[in-house]
Formats: sequence, structure tokens, C-alpha cells
Amino acid sequence: GAVVSQHPSRVICKSGTSVKIECRSLDFQATTMFWYRQFPKQSLMLMATSNEGSKATYEQGVEKDKFLINHASLTLSTLTVTSAHPEDSSFYICSAHISGGYQPQHFGDGTRLSIL
Amino acid sequence: GIQVEQSPPDLILQEGANSTLRCNFSDSVNNLQWFHQNPWGQLINLFYIPSGTKQNGRLSATTVATERYSLLYISSSQTTDSGVYFCAGGGSGGSNYKLTFGKGTLLTVNP
Repeated sequence: GAVVSQHPSRVICKSGTSVKIECRSLDFQATTMFWYRQFPKQSLMLMATSNEGSKATYEQGVEKDKFLINHASLTLSTLTVTSAHPEDSSFYICSAHISGGYQPQHFGDGTRLSIL
Repeated sequence: GIQVEQSPPDLILQEGANSTLRCNFSDSVNNLQWFHQNPWGQLINLFYIPSGTKQNGRLSATTVATERYSLLYISSSQTTDSGVYFCAGGGSGGSNYKLTFGKGTLLTVNP
């Protein structure tokens, strides 16, 4: 149980394109989802906290107009990288928190984004 | 925010050896997880262990919450254990479920 599905797994696109990444909790409801970014040989850095039905909370230094987050249902959060540029190339990974108290986060398999 | 320090940053073992990875936290945590990231980037959840001791096959973990550290033990290591091991913690202060990750331990197990 507690499966998180993330799509697509890999995206290669031209500079200026907007890219949408989906994160779905398949067998549980998640009022809170998280989006992380990981550069090569570095750790995961939290970008934003996505709450169902409300605006996302962004970490310091993360541009909310560049990284649009929508959490329209209890099982789906999306991250849209708008007008992507080569410096946005990275590994993006989402996680979902099962509603109700302190519990483990469950992670998707990540999306490798390459902007040419 | 909370600071997470992992050690050692790199570890090279011969197959069959045992190892201990450590994670120190700057503040108390209510959430604590250990992960193994494989070469494809997948983050495999090893343990959810805000306190106490757990075991799963050749792996075990212990968290001493009062002293703000956690240990991951790998016994009889195999080449497939290679990869990056992360600990992550959070949850101090209110209903905050965010996780802060350490920088990881890169484990290489040689045949």
C-alpha cells in the first residue's frame, strides 16, 4: 500500500516550454503533498508544500510564479515549471503524507527534467 | 529550520562487511525516515523511525530521540546495497510534516 505515482519519469524539451508534472497517491488520500528538487550529487531540497484546496507554501528562494503548484483533489498534485530554461534542469520528486498525525512520507519515482 | 548532519559522507566496503551510518539532528523531531536512493533516482523508504529500534532483514535502525540522533546498520553488505543513503527528519513545533534531508552517505560495496 501507500503508492505514489509520478509522471512523466523523464522530460526533454526546448527552452521556453512549460512542463507539467503529476503526483498521484493511488491508494490513500493525501491532504498534504511535497515537491523536492535534487541537483546531481546533492541532497533533496524541499521546494513547496502543497495542501489540498489551498495555496501552496513555498520555501524561501523558490519562485512561486516559476513553479506553479495545484492540489485540486486529495489524490493529485501538479507542479508546472513555466517557461523552463536550462538552469531548471533537475530531478523533481514528490511525496505524499497520509492524512492524520505524524506518519511517513511516501515518495514518487521522480521526474528527470532536461531543458535544451 | 532544523539541521541534519549525516556521517560519513562516503563509505567503501568489501562485500560481506558491516557498517553503521549516523544522522544527527539540531532539534527534536517527530518524523524520521531513512532512505536508499538507487542509481535510477528512486527513493526507497527503509525505515520510519522517530524513536526506538526496528529491523528489516540485514538492515536495522535505532533512534535515540532524547539525544537527537539515529543510526542505520547494514550487515553482511552486498553490491546491491550500493547507492546513497539519506536520513530526513522534521515535525518539531506544531503540525509541521515537512522533512529536511541530510546530505547523504554514498556507499560503495565492492565484490
